[in-house]
Amino acid sequence: SSQLTQDPAVSVTLGHTVTITCQGGSLGQFYATWYQQKPGQAPVLVIYDKNSRPSGIPDRFSGSTSGNTASLTIAGAQAEDEADYYCQSRDINGNLLVFGTGTQVTVL
Amino acid sequence: QVQLKESGPGLVKPSQTLFLTCSVSGASIISGSFYWTWVRLHPGKGLEWIGYVQYRGSTYYDPSLKSRAITSVDTFKNQFSLELSSVTAADSAVYYCARGSMVTRFGGSAKGYYYLDVWGKGTTVTVSS
Repeated sequence: SSQLTQDPAVSVTLGHTVTITCQGGSLGQFYATWYQQKPGQAPVLVIYDKNSRPSGIPDRFSGSTSGNTASLTIAGAQAEDEADYYCQSRDINGNLLVFGTGTQVTVL
Repeated sequence: QVQLKESGPGLVKPSQTLFLTCSVSGASIISGSFYWTWVRLHPGKGLEWIGYVQYRGSTYYDPSLKSRAITSVDTFKNQFSLELSSVTAADSAVYYCARGSMVTRFGGSAKGYYYLDVWGKGTTVTVSS
């Protein structure tokens, strides 16, 4: 199945902007979906489709795609944004799913 | 408001079969065209998709599980289940159930996607003798 590769960890200064990337061949055909997961909690959906946010997700979260790379941007990162972030997509054949390797975001 | 809740044994012996159920409340499991999904999180590692089932019965699984996984829907109990056979220590993880939606678009640069918008809190499974 396809693989989605993310940087293992990034850090951002409080109030600044950070972008997380996700690379994989299936992203040329399917949009990436992004989840936030804090320790001991279930993942939370933050971005889906081209750049849609579920109700309750702050507008500082946004998504974009260029070629086989999807990006999640947190503009004006807050302390509560410190978490692991995972991208997820459909496999090349369309019916299987794949998660990215995950990025740990630290807010300094 | 739709809620999901996993239940399972917590501890399973190696080579046995793990049985997990996910109870759905706040909506009927047959409403909509949802993909009832299982995901796990290994300690210190990332999320791993296990598989999903639609209430009509279609199922898909991660190939790495080598046919050990079976998912099913019980419409009367409004729940869905996961069976994972021949478990080893590598199957120790937090198991989540989630509700999935799949969008397929055709033509030109149109792209589809899949998302999991409702998750259970997770249940920890340890495989040990």
